[in-house]
Amino acid sequence: GAVVSQHPSRVICKSGTSVKIECRSLDFQATTMFWYRQFPKQSLMLMATSNEGSKATYEQGVEKDKFLINHASLTLSTLTVTSAHPEDSSFYICSVLGTGRGGELFFGEGSRLTVL
Amino acid sequence: GDSVTQMEGPVTLSEEAFLTINCTYTATGYPSLFWYVQYPGEGLQLLLKATKADDKGSNKGFEATYRKETTSFHLEKGSVQVSDSAVYFCALTLSFGNEKLTFGTGTRLTIIP
Repeated sequence: GAVVSQHPSRVICKSGTSVKIECRSLDFQATTMFWYRQFPKQSLMLMATSNEGSKATYEQGVEKDKFLINHASLTLSTLTVTSAHPEDSSFYICSVLGTGRGGELFFGEGSRLTVL
Repeated sequence: GDSVTQMEGPVTLSEEAFLTINCTYTATGYPSLFWYVQYPGEGLQLLLKATKADDKGSNKGFEATYRKETTSFHLEKGSVQVSDSAVYFCALTLSFGNEKLTFGTGTRLTIIP
């Protein structure tokens, strides 16, 4: 069964609204989670590393005030796209680092955001 | 910077055909290389990996060999099945803990009976 679950899988919102995407580790506690974004016909790009109990580490060029990450528990990280605009429409994927599992990454099924 | 270039899809093959999906990379150091697969409605799953030159990763009939001289990690399977239909991602990492992956664009594979 799934090790990582993302919700929602698809979301459509109006420009200017905020959208929250959840990433849950179902099988084990995760101190570290990662958020990726994929635009059509492009690579998955790492956006940020989410650390439980501390601030997320953002990759260069990713606006931390635009993409709020909260990793409040060992099984849940959330990504909030604030004041979303059409250019934020993308496929967002989270992954969980399986500590004690040889460092393997486990991925959620992804969330497709469409901003009208 | 580090990058991965993989074969553009979509790729459509008949069942039992031979599969090759090309992947080449650029990296500043000595990366570990991966192939991930995403089946419809599911998250990416690790298919196979190789951590040093000349290593061959294999799983579920798929193979890929780490070729440092050609900076390649091509994915092959001798006889594909309908159940292999999925999106395949080539990736690399230079980090010790295998996090911070750099991905290719993904190749959608469809196998027809």
